[in-house]
Amino acid sequence: GQQLNQSPQSMFIQEGEDVSMNCTSSSIFNTWLWYKQDPGEGPVLLIALYKAGELTSNGRLTAQFGITRKDSFLNISASIPSDVGIYFCAGCDTGNQFYFGTGTSLTVIP
Amino acid sequence: NAGVMQNPRHLVRRRGQEARLRCSPMKGHSHVYWYRQLPEEGLKFMVYLQKENIIDESGMPKERFSAEFPKEGPSILRIQQVVRGDSAAYFCASSPRRGNTGELFFGEGSRLTVL
Repeated sequence: GQQLNQSPQSMFIQEGEDVSMNCTSSSIFNTWLWYKQDPGEGPVLLIALYKAGELTSNGRLTAQFGITRKDSFLNISASIPSDVGIYFCAGCDTGNQFYFGTGTSLTVIP
Repeated sequence: NAGVMQNPRHLVRRRGQEARLRCSPMKGHSHVYWYRQLPEEGLKFMVYLQKENIIDESGMPKERFSAEFPKEGPSILRIQQVVRGDSAAYFCASSPRRGNTGELFFGEGSRLTVL
């Protein structure tokens, strides 16, 4: 199935720094979703975006639904050690099918 | 509102045995998806089901694997005659129907180890 291009693949940052990751697709989506997965756990939904151009925040997290409907980004401000994990983007098409990015592994150095 | 419930969390099988993984979606969700994940890798789509119907099984191997979502009870992912390569984490997710938009909520996963 289709897989979204997610970058960067991994990031190593100092605590307190801001983080940015993005996802692109060749197809348009009606919904963009961002997840965080901790080791041994299931992905947890962080932010859901429903409209092109929409900018949504959840605490220190901010995500945007691209105008073209083919991309999205996630920003994390003032990172803390518990932000460590793998972040996945996902897009939902008109057929209620979800496509996932390859993941961004985030390491926060105290 | 309870989340997506999967069991067992861990399952060990010998080669040739059968594995049955169960998933109860969130209350009010009629769409269920199964994904497979290998260590250090992303989520690989297997099958998408609505109550009593398979909508898309394009990601599921044609042999040994089957899935169902009966009118009553949980969704079941069944792997017959397991092989070592079936060892992975299997995640179930559910979604409410919201027209052309949707959200997807995951369970904690079932980790299958084939000896």
